[in-house]
Amino acid sequence: KAGVTQTPRYLIKTRGQQVTLSCSPISGHRSVSWYQQTPGQGLQFLFEYFSETQRNKGNFPGRFSGRQFSNSRSEMNVSTLELGDSALYLCASSVGGQGANIPYEQYFGPGTRLTVT
Amino acid sequence: QKEVEQNSGPLSVPEGAIASLNCTYSDRGSQSFFWYRQYSGKSPELIMFIYSNGDKEDGRFTAQLNKASQYVSLLIRDSQPSDSATYLCAVNMWILYSNYQLIWGAGTKLIIKP
Repeated sequence: KAGVTQTPRYLIKTRGQQVTLSCSPISGHRSVSWYQQTPGQGLQFLFEYFSETQRNKGNFPGRFSGRQFSNSRSEMNVSTLELGDSALYLCASSVGGQGANIPYEQYFGPGTRLTVT
Repeated sequence: QKEVEQNSGPLSVPEGAIASLNCTYSDRGSQSFFWYRQYSGKSPELIMFIYSNGDKEDGRFTAQLNKASQYVSLLIRDSQPSDSATYLCAVNMWILYSNYQLIWGAGTKLIIKP
């Protein structure tokens, strides 16, 4: 079974621009979660989508948004990029939703490395 | 404040020895715990999860959970150089006005010396 795929793998943008990242989950997985990973902050949860609905959201500004399509593929958008948005953006898929006491196991994609100059 | 604490390391262990990685968490009500391994430049990969107090073994890996003391450990027996990586602990916690979320530790860098 194919794993989680993310595109693009690398991206260089200029401050003030916007960017869209894409994630295709493992076949049959309905939940997609997005994370930001930086050396200073570690893994930070952005949001989770399940069956095209945002089920949970981390503590990030409204410049970070996402959506999920009927085939479970998900996109994440960052508007008005700032230098501090430079990070590895990871998506993770799971069979079921994450917002439960005992969540389903998550499987990560390779990530998109975003550099903002 | 919901927190997961890990010693950042690096933790240096001789090849063939037991590597012991520890993680403490702030939410006494947490019930699910995950260990991920992340090689440099790669994404995290799931090693083990544990829900019940006690030990859970999978090959060379053993997860130990002590809810009363609010810590979870990962033991790696017969450590190999290929085990050199950063190990991330993630704990599912209830976030007020939100939902359950996985809270991640900063990770412990493990180095296995041949």
